[in-house]
Amino acid sequence: DAKTTQPPSMDCAEGRAANLPCNHSTISGNEYVYWYRQIHSQGPQYIIHGLKNNETNEMASLIITEDRKSSTLILPHATLRDTAVYYCIVYGYGQNFVFGPGTRLSVLP
Amino acid sequence: DTGVSQDPRHKITKRGQNVTFRCDPISEHNRLYWYRQTLGQGPEFLTYFQNEAQLEKSRLLSDRFSAERPKGSFSTLEIQRTEQGDSAMYLCASSLGREKNIQYFGAGTRLSVL
Repeated sequence: DAKTTQPPSMDCAEGRAANLPCNHSTISGNEYVYWYRQIHSQGPQYIIHGLKNNETNEMASLIITEDRKSSTLILPHATLRDTAVYYCIVYGYGQNFVFGPGTRLSVLP
Repeated sequence: DTGVSQDPRHKITKRGQNVTFRCDPISEHNRLYWYRQTLGQGPEFLTYFQNEAQLEKSRLLSDRFSAERPKGSFSTLEIQRTEQGDSAMYLCASSLGREKNIQYFGAGTRLSVL
């Protein structure tokens, strides 16, 4: 079973920030939080990952709470092309990726 | 394009036939993974290779499924005596296999068993 819980769906207006939450209350100290997204009929695409500090790259920002029990993926200016299913995964070295059903984000014009 | 490539993209077959899918990973990646994804679900891990060695198989991988990576480069996934329940998207991913194990996925092979 997935170690994460995500809302099944969210809407966001185009141009606004999309904030996607993820709960991972049983995360261990050496486990990372990874985010992937999957656009219809394509394979999952890596977005970002982090351990305990907040992370930012050209695609998104990842905010991890101090107790590491939850995180938020932020797409700062959502576009229609960001419509996808977003997966939050907890992963530790030597484990396998376990995907849950993810959050279906719809960016609306 | 130097990403993960999968072939074919789509496969339609009749129940009872054998099918084989191919995955070409990113060239310097020593780990290769296979996943299966059904409609509305996230990908499910099937198996992975470290170079040519198959190190782990999920219990989802029945005896009808076999995967190989003969020279540590490309991999094949064969399904024998296909069943309608095998209809799914089969995804391949590769990674460097280090602690921060970022996996890069191919576009997948969609299998339809009639």
